[in-house]
Formats: sequence, C-alpha cells, structure tokens
Amino acid sequence: QSVLTQPPSVSAAPGQKVTISCSGNTSNIGNNFVSWYQHSPGTAPKLLIYDNNKRPSGIPDRFSGSKSGTSATLGITGLQTADEADYYCGTWDSGLSAGGVIFGGGTTLTVL
Amino acid sequence: QVQLQESGPGLVRPSETLSLTCTVSRDSISRFYWSWIRQPPGEGLEWIGYVYYTGNTRHNPSLKSRVTISVDTSKDQFSLKLNSVTAADTAVYFCARHRTPGRGFDSWGQGTLVTVSS
Repeated sequence: QSVLTQPPSVSAAPGQKVTISCSGNTSNIGNNFVSWYQHSPGTAPKLLIYDNNKRPSGIPDRFSGSKSGTSATLGITGLQTADEADYYCGTWDSGLSAGGVIFGGGTTLTVL
Repeated sequence: QVQLQESGPGLVRPSETLSLTCTVSRDSISRFYWSWIRQPPGEGLEWIGYVYYTGNTRHNPSLKSRVTISVDTSKDQFSLKLNSVTAADTAVYFCARHRTPGRGFDSWGQGTLVTVSS
C-alpha cells in the first residue's frame, strides 16, 4: 500500500485531456518536490515532470504538472494512443526514518 | 546522453544474496546520485536506496539492514546487494540517476528481472 494515493486507472478518447491525481501529506508532497513518470512494460520509466511542474528536454508541452498543498496533478492534453502507459508520481518523504523516495501506486491510462 | 545498464543473475535462491551491478556510460558516475528501484510483478515502483559518488548511501527503511549499495568510480559502476532474499524480492530491478534526492530520476536502465526461487 503506497503512501501516495493515485487512481488505479483513467481513460479518455484520443485528442481529449486527462488528469491524474497524487495525494500525500505534509511529510511528503506538502514539503517536497513532485516528479511524474511514464512507464510501459518492458521499457525504462521516463521522467515527464520534475520539481512539480518542469519538463525535461524532449517532453512535449502536452504534459503538465501542478501541486497544491499535499496533492499533485499530472495533466495530458491531446491524448494519443502512444500515451497508453502506467503513470507514477514520486517525491521525498521526510517522515521515513532518515528520509527516502516514495512513489504512488501507479495509474494505468487507457486511450479509448 | 547518459546510459545505464543493469547486469547480474536472473535467478537467486531463497535466503541467498541478490547482487546486481549498474554500469554508467556516456557520462561520469562522479557526479549525481545513483539509485536502485524495483517493481514486483503486477505492482508499482519501490525505491530501494541510493549511493552518492562519494560513497554516502541511504536506503528504504522497509528493507531494514538487508541492503548494501556501493559505488566504484574507477569502473563507473554502482552495485546492489540484497541479502536473505525471499520470493517477495522477485521483481524487475532498475538503476537510475538523480541530480538531487527526491527531485526526479532523469535517466533509467532498462531493468532486469530477478526471480527468487529454489
């Protein structure tokens, strides 16, 4: 059971927009940066968002991130079938003994 | 662009030690932080721990004292040892790079499946 809570699945049609939420507490999201990852089976996870809302070079602006209080949100616009994957949020948790990285349980995106 | 590649046995017997190595290429290991992350079958990602190029480490307290992570800067490699493994340690193991702990893993290896079974 993950400390960070994500919906197990979301779906939307091609071209539409979807959001994925990530809920935590003051020990993690509330006081630390959030990152988001895209992962398809058999491949290396890909960093989509870091520092709550920054995109690494090469990540299209269809992907966006935001944070408010103890929750964060990943937004994807102009959905494509290639976006079908699992999405994970991650952050630092100061509540763990000496601190550590934690991930959400993951959200499976289906593009209908 | 930095590349990471995991290597090690794909099968480990229960109670023995799982050993993996991550080789870093196209960049020096003597910068940044280097982590191990795993994904059990059908489950999400779990951070195992990191090593800084200086040798400083931190690991997930849920794994208690079973984890040892080390770095060899002369070979641009870092390693994971997980002792007293059980079937619950069966997972795909990834190595990854981060510039600062908690601020995003910007490069990942492809992952390697390790099965714990007799």
